[in-house]
This record gives sequence, structure tokens and C-alpha cells, in this order.
Amino acid sequence: DGGITQSPKYLFRKEGQNVTLSCEQNLNHDAMYWYRQDPGQGLRLIYYSQIVNDFQKGDIAEGYSVSREKKESFPLTVTSAQKNPTAFYLCASSEYNEQFFGPGTRLTVL
Amino acid sequence: AQSVAQPEDQVNVAEGNPLTVKCTYSVSGNPYLFWYVQYPNRGLQFLLKYITGDNLVKGSYGFEAEFNKSQTSFHLKKPSALVSDSALYFCAVREGNNFNKFYFGSGTKLNVKP
Repeated sequence: DGGITQSPKYLFRKEGQNVTLSCEQNLNHDAMYWYRQDPGQGLRLIYYSQIVNDFQKGDIAEGYSVSREKKESFPLTVTSAQKNPTAFYLCASSEYNEQFFGPGTRLTVL
Repeated sequence: AQSVAQPEDQVNVAEGNPLTVKCTYSVSGNPYLFWYVQYPNRGLQFLLKYITGDNLVKGSYGFEAEFNKSQTSFHLKKPSALVSDSALYFCAVREGNNFNKFYFGSGTKLNVKP
């Protein structure tokens, strides 16, 4: 099956810990994205990457980091500097005129 | 600046009645417009898109959307709503000068009552 996979589906973190969310795609898309979704606020862009070894900050990049060493993979690290990390995180990829989304990871800070 | 507005947080409609979910946009250059649907704890699913051509775009699950350039709107419609259409709907626009950047509205929750 072609598509985007995110893991884990649910993730629990203690305060002060860094965690990494996985995103993999086999659609051969150049562009990949990370969004954060909070209730009533829609999607907010954290980081995006248009090509391997390159990425740009989105609207809410503080407290997050990414890497893009392979075309298929775009992991997101939520660092301890992110003050309110509890949210639903969505990864997406795109080619020209459409974005495709993964199933999401729900992160909860205990 | 590029932006998308969904003026209604929630839309309630009875099953069998027509539904409309509103979206207006602001974008430099020609707009590339999209509608997505999200079910609880799931990713977004693509419904339809407008790139060019006919102003009425048909998409998945019987949904359609009408592009109106003068009103900068792209409202989502369906002639007869189903209870299973109840979900969160997002309108999105692609940035004109950067084809890899998308802007999303805040979402509209559609409730279809039996």
C-alpha cells in the first residue's frame, strides 16, 4: 500500500523529556510537513521540507526540531523547550497540487 | 498574505437536507483550493480540489464545491446529507508563489442529525 505512516499512534511523555515522532512515506514525494492540531485551532505548521537535507520553520517551530536525511523519512523531535506539547501531530507529504496525510500521533505529557 | 477563513465553527443539518460549509480565501496569484475531511483521531482525507477549469468541482462521497472568484469563496456542498458525513471539515489553499506551502482554515464541525 502506498501512503504515509506515523508511529506511535499514542505517546506519553514525562515533563522534561525529549520525544521523537516518526513519519515515513513511500509516495516518492519531495515535500513533507509536520502540523500540530489543537481543539478548535485547526492545523498549524511546525516545519516543512521541500527536499532532502533541507527544511524550513513553519509558524510554531519553537521547541521542535526535525531532520530530513532520507526522502522517505521526516522525524519530528519534541524537545523539553516546548512548553505545551500535548496535542495531535499530523505528518503530510505533497507533490504539486495535493497533500496526503498520515493517521497522526497523539502526544500526551504527564 | 495567504489565509483561509471558515466562518462557522459548527454546522447542523438534518439527514436528507442539503448542506453547505463555507470557506473564503486570500492568496496571491491563482488560487489552488482544497477540501479535506477528518474523522476523530484520524488524519485528514482529501475530498476535492480546484486548480483551474469549471467552477463547480465534484469530489468524493457526493461532495462538490463551487469556486467563486469575485467573492473569493470555495464553499463545500452536498445535495443530501448523511449521518455518516458528520466530521470535521477543513478548507485549504496553496500558496501561489511557493507551491509546497499550504494554509488551512480552522475547521468546521458538521453535525448531521437523523
